[in-house]
Amino acid sequence: EVQLVESGGGLVQPGGSLRLSCVGSGFTFSNNAIVWVRQAPGKGLEWVSCISGSGGSTYYADSVKGRFTVSRDNPQNRGYLQMNSLRADDTAVYYCARLRRDAAGFDYWGQGTLVTVSS
Amino acid sequence: IVLTQSPGTVSLSPGERATLSCRASQSVSSDNFAWYQQRPGQPPRLLIYTTFSRATGIPDRFSGSGSGTDFSLTISRLEPEDFAVYYCQQWDRSFFSFGGGTKVEIK
Repeated sequence: EVQLVESGGGLVQPGGSLRLSCVGSGFTFSNNAIVWVRQAPGKGLEWVSCISGSGGSTYYADSVKGRFTVSRDNPQNRGYLQMNSLRADDTAVYYCARLRRDAAGFDYWGQGTLVTVSS
Repeated sequence: IVLTQSPGTVSLSPGERATLSCRASQSVSSDNFAWYQQRPGQPPRLLIYTTFSRATGIPDRFSGSGSGTDFSLTISRLEPEDFAVYYCQQWDRSFFSFGGGTKVEIK
């Protein structure tokens, strides 16, 4: 069974940093790109970042470019989202999801981890 | 590419047909378009990919259609578990965007 589990969320002050982790199981982790999607309280979905299966290509939404860094450790079946210079509007549930191998959608999602940026 | 979903909320009864719309600000490849369902307190779930194809385990009452800038999700007969929020999504050169969502609520 394919599973993704996020961790690392919590309360952080504005300007602070946090690193989220996403561990995958039930599939060959390096075969799929991993994406991060966030959802502010009561709001819709916002794509944040994508990293290819090899880790060689990374992509970011304009709202986080230059502040967030995505990475992965395939032998450990883990993906990471390093978030720096956090702002109040980064407050959201952060989901990791698996991109289908044909890139046709995000077919498995974690349960999400809540990041709250507040003083 | 900006995706605009309509209506924002639709009120229907179980057994009724629901048609949700998603309009793109520029043309989207049919291979690069999907729909998701999100129930309260749950992560999103992939329903439809490549505009028309149902994801694994998705019942055939869900169907997708469209091309270019206009896409639709139809639920032929609403079941109680279908009352949820639905999001459209597109991607272009590994950049993704979602629509704002349509909430299907019980009338």
